[in-house]
Amino acid sequence: DIQMTQSPSTLSASVGDRVTITCRASQSIGAWLAWYQQRPGKAPSVLIYKASTLQIGVPSRFSGSGSGTEFTLTISSLQPDDFATFYCHQYNTFATFGQGTKVEV
Amino acid sequence: QVQLQESGPGLVKPSQTLSLTCTVSGGSITSGGSFWSWIRQYPGKGLEWIGYISYSGRTYYNPSLKSRVTISEDTSKNQFSLNLSSMTAADAAVYYCARGGGINWFDSWGQGTLVTVSS
Repeated sequence: DIQMTQSPSTLSASVGDRVTITCRASQSIGAWLAWYQQRPGKAPSVLIYKASTLQIGVPSRFSGSGSGTEFTLTISSLQPDDFATFYCHQYNTFATFGQGTKVEV
Repeated sequence: QVQLQESGPGLVKPSQTLSLTCTVSGGSITSGGSFWSWIRQYPGKGLEWIGYISYSGRTYYNPSLKSRVTISEDTSKNQFSLNLSSMTAADAAVYYCARGGGINWFDSWGQGTLVTVSS
């Protein structure tokens, strides 16, 4: 199994902050990585796929980078709507998710 | 815009089989290249992929659940279904259906359905 490790688990930030979340894979997954945002009581929603491709309709303040085993999700200027939990997901081999990063005030 | 909706019982007794159905609208489950998955989310928020059925009816399951899982389809109703046998308290979770799996990310999700396991 490919394990996905996210850090940090919780992140305290303010509106306007630049936020970076890291995801590490236990083995190389190329660029087969997606990022999701999940608000309380809702299903996850894709932000980024293929490590760096922005899903249609997602604000440009979200960006993704990385390949192989190390990936980052960056929010350039945190907005009130962005306080949520974020997950990475590898789809190189089956599908596994990171444990999540909660972005809170 | 593809939409997915889960349906099924919210309460299952221990040792029984969970049966859920996902109804897809706005797109066909037989559309070339599409994959349709079941994913669950534990109360502690962890996400686990259960398995998928492809546009051609091929299935693939998470090895950790393979012995208990069956995913099937009803193309006439544009639905796919999950059967998970021998349910225990450890299977209590929110169950989602989603488009994606295989070499695809999950780009559309159902709203999720909470499943409790209790006698």
